[in-house]
Amino acid sequence: GAGVSQSPRYKVAKRGQDVALRCDPISGHVSLFWYQQALGQGPEFLTYFQNEAQLDKSGLPSDRFFAERPEGSVSTLKIQRTQQEDSAVYLCASSLGGRVYGYTFGSGTRLTVV
Amino acid sequence: EDKVVQSPLSLVVHEGDTVTLNCSYEVTNFRSLLWYKQEKKAPTFLFMLTSSGIEKKSGRLSSILDKKELSSILNITATQTGDSAIYLCAVEGGSARQLTFGSGTQLTVLP
Repeated sequence: GAGVSQSPRYKVAKRGQDVALRCDPISGHVSLFWYQQALGQGPEFLTYFQNEAQLDKSGLPSDRFFAERPEGSVSTLKIQRTQQEDSAVYLCASSLGGRVYGYTFGSGTRLTVV
Repeated sequence: EDKVVQSPLSLVVHEGDTVTLNCSYEVTNFRSLLWYKQEKKAPTFLFMLTSSGIEKKSGRLSSILDKKELSSILNITATQTGDSAIYLCAVEGGSARQLTFGSGTQLTVLP
């Protein structure tokens, strides 16, 4: 596609519920990144994929967070047993190579946990 | 741990004013510094800086990196209401595959 597409745009979850956030990167982009942006803060790195391989998951805040990219294109970020502190905008970015230059961000998914 | 600090946190100006946004960083193994504009949710790329003292320019926006002072500035001249946004500074450091962002500067340009 023309850009990075994320869905849903908005998600309201009850505390304890599981959620799945989807990212469709630009076709042909090898690298895919997930970031979490809390209100009033800059994005914080969560995880990085090169094709289907998850090369860095050092930013995932707990074992409730899980990301996959099984066929090297679409990625899903799953959050189990959501908590209020998970409320944030989740941004996905993709790039052709492995370096940060050329990142294209999606519009994000705003998750609100009530 | 890599760290990026931006100032001011917010700024309100009138159309036609010139603004300077600041970014300072502490990072292991510095590779590059990037500026983004965030209006709704998707940050859009403005500049990438790797060499000290070389100004990058795009229309009314310009940016320069000072590696000695571990800082960068983003200048916007003749501001317009469409420049209202959050401006994010990020550094690419020890891991080449991730960015460390500052909290951003919220710029509001009044007509």
